[in-house]
Amino acid sequence: SQKIEQNSEALNIQEGKTATLTCNYTNYSPAYLQWYRQDPGRGPVFLLLIRENEKEKRKERLKVTFDTTLKQSLFHITASQPADSATYLCALVRPGGKLTFGQGTILTVHP
Amino acid sequence: EAGVTQSPTHLIKTRGQQATLRCSPISGHTSVYWYQQALGLGLQFLLWYDEGEERNRGNFPPRFSGRQFPNYSSELNVNALELEDSALYLCASSLAFGTNLPDTQYFGPGTRLTVL
Repeated sequence: SQKIEQNSEALNIQEGKTATLTCNYTNYSPAYLQWYRQDPGRGPVFLLLIRENEKEKRKERLKVTFDTTLKQSLFHITASQPADSATYLCALVRPGGKLTFGQGTILTVHP
Repeated sequence: EAGVTQSPTHLIKTRGQQATLRCSPISGHTSVYWYQQALGLGLQFLLWYDEGEERNRGNFPPRFSGRQFPNYSSELNVNALELEDSALYLCASSLAFGTNLPDTQYFGPGTRLTVL
């Protein structure tokens, strides 16, 4: 079955730095990959979607890359702010519709 | 535009009882998904409904069931509740299932189910 690993459970960085989160997957390549943000006790909020034929996607301070050879996606937040502190989830979607989520990485941005 | 809504916000039940959770998708969305998120664990896919039909199901026992109504709202039923069913249950909706791939999912705030 598909397995997803997000680099670490927790990532701590200083305000203004770039946060880089990793999502690795095994087995077959997904049709596309999504990144979500989740705050405690709340539902995840969609951030970015990248398809298997796309290498990179940007949205404001966010950037996602997708390397199907390495079976890896990187999620970057540039000029990070304390308000960016949250859990970030990657999710893979494959034909048939099943969405598989990683465990998430808790990002803390220190002032 | 209103987002995905879920009710109730919190639900407290005892072992062996049944729980019913409700979800209203974003207007225009026909697909509804249910997820379980136990404390400290990731989201586990439960069920996917589209146009009233069950499209896919996660690795959960049959006592987890649901349905989708003609207005695309959905309910999740959990029978014979067990202590380990305590979790945040999240509903998400997306645009029509068309090309064998679900579109981006938008999540509701969740229902916190506590089983005593």
